[in-house]
Amino acid sequence: KAGVTQTPRYLIKTRGQQVTLSCSPISGHRSVSWYQQTPGQGLQFLFEYFSETQRNKGNFPGRFSGRQFSNSRSEMNVSTLELGDSALYLCASRSGAHAYEQYFGPGTRLTVT
Amino acid sequence: AQSVTQLGSHVSVSEGALVLLRCNYSSSVPPYLFWYVQYPNQGLQLLLKYTSAATLVKGINGFEAEFKKSETSFHLTKPSAHMSDAAEYFCAVSPSGNTPLVFGKGTRLSVIA
Repeated sequence: KAGVTQTPRYLIKTRGQQVTLSCSPISGHRSVSWYQQTPGQGLQFLFEYFSETQRNKGNFPGRFSGRQFSNSRSEMNVSTLELGDSALYLCASRSGAHAYEQYFGPGTRLTVT
Repeated sequence: AQSVTQLGSHVSVSEGALVLLRCNYSSSVPPYLFWYVQYPNQGLQLLLKYTSAATLVKGINGFEAEFKKSETSFHLTKPSAHMSDAAEYFCAVSPSGNTPLVFGKGTRLSVIA
């Protein structure tokens, strides 16, 4: 079974631009979570979607948004990019809302210049 | 609020030596605990999880961890380090197992030949 895939793997954007990252969960998984990883703040939860509905949201500004499609694929969007948004963005999927194990993708490395 | 403390941002061991990575958590309720490993330029891989069953948990690649409620600890061990174990290790806690993960800052393990 294929793992979690994220596209693109690497991205360079300019401050003020917006960006969209994509995540395809493991086949059959309906829950998708997003995490931001930076050297300073470590791994921080952004949001989680289950069956196209946002279940949980982390403490990030409104510039960070996401959505989930009917095929469980998810996108996250960051508008008005800031230098501090440079990070590795990780997507994780699990089979259902009550499943314990999360399976992570390889991440998208976003660099904001 | 849940939190996780990993003692030691960098641990170095000789090949064949015992690996001990420390994790302490704070939680107002019995938590669910996880250890993940991250290799360079990759996502997170689940090593093992504690879900209130046996206090000694065995995971992949010869790793195990023991849940000690009295010490609020969940230290990760491996009897004999291999060069391939060199990576970053993250301890994480979840209040109910299926809620967002709260990660520690990570411990980078180096294995010396």
